[in-house]
Amino acid sequence: DVKVTQSSRYLVKRTGEKVFLECVQDMDHENMFWYRQDPGLGLRLIYFSYDVKMKEKGDIPEGYSVSREKKERFSLILESASTNQTSMYLCASSLLYNEQFFGPGTRLTVL
Amino acid sequence: AQSVTQPDIHITVSEGASLELRCNYSYGATPYLFWYVQSPGQGLQLLLKYFSGDTLVQGIKGFEAEFKRSQSSFNLRKPSVHWSDAAEYFCAVVANTNAGKSTFGDGTTLTVKP
Repeated sequence: DVKVTQSSRYLVKRTGEKVFLECVQDMDHENMFWYRQDPGLGLRLIYFSYDVKMKEKGDIPEGYSVSREKKERFSLILESASTNQTSMYLCASSLLYNEQFFGPGTRLTVL
Repeated sequence: AQSVTQPDIHITVSEGASLELRCNYSYGATPYLFWYVQSPGQGLQLLLKYFSGDTLVQGIKGFEAEFKRSQSSFNLRKPSVHWSDAAEYFCAVVANTNAGKSTFGDGTTLTVKP
């Protein structure tokens, strides 16, 4: 089975802190994605990566950056966390155009 | 750019009743289409997908979906709903360009009455 793991299930940070969310997949997928999920807004794509060191902005990239130095790992970075970034963050991976496999999510609270 | 609309935010059905969740997409060509389910506190799980061929696709847990090109729709159906089907359901499209970037609908929450 494909496994996508995320570094934390719950995270509490202070406004202005730099926050790293880590995601690792074990199936050699080319694509990796970061979404945020908010009630009533579905899943909104923040960034995705289709290869090592390659990334593309999604629909809501402002306030976020990403890093993909190895194929299996995709990091989401909040340079200076703000309260409006309190959300559930979901990581996923896929083979090119195929279905995405999701991690369990990280619920981030910014105080 | 592609987009996905799930017109129903919340649906309530009785256990044993049939279910249809609607999904409409906007895209210039035929996209790849997916339905995912998210149970409370869980990540998303694939129910079924359509790439090409037979427009009626079968998925897990007794779900099926029908692709209708003329209506740009990919509706999800189940003939008899179980209490364990209560969850949030997401329709998604992937364009066959743009390296697999996906777009999700806003989701439909299903409540099952006993």
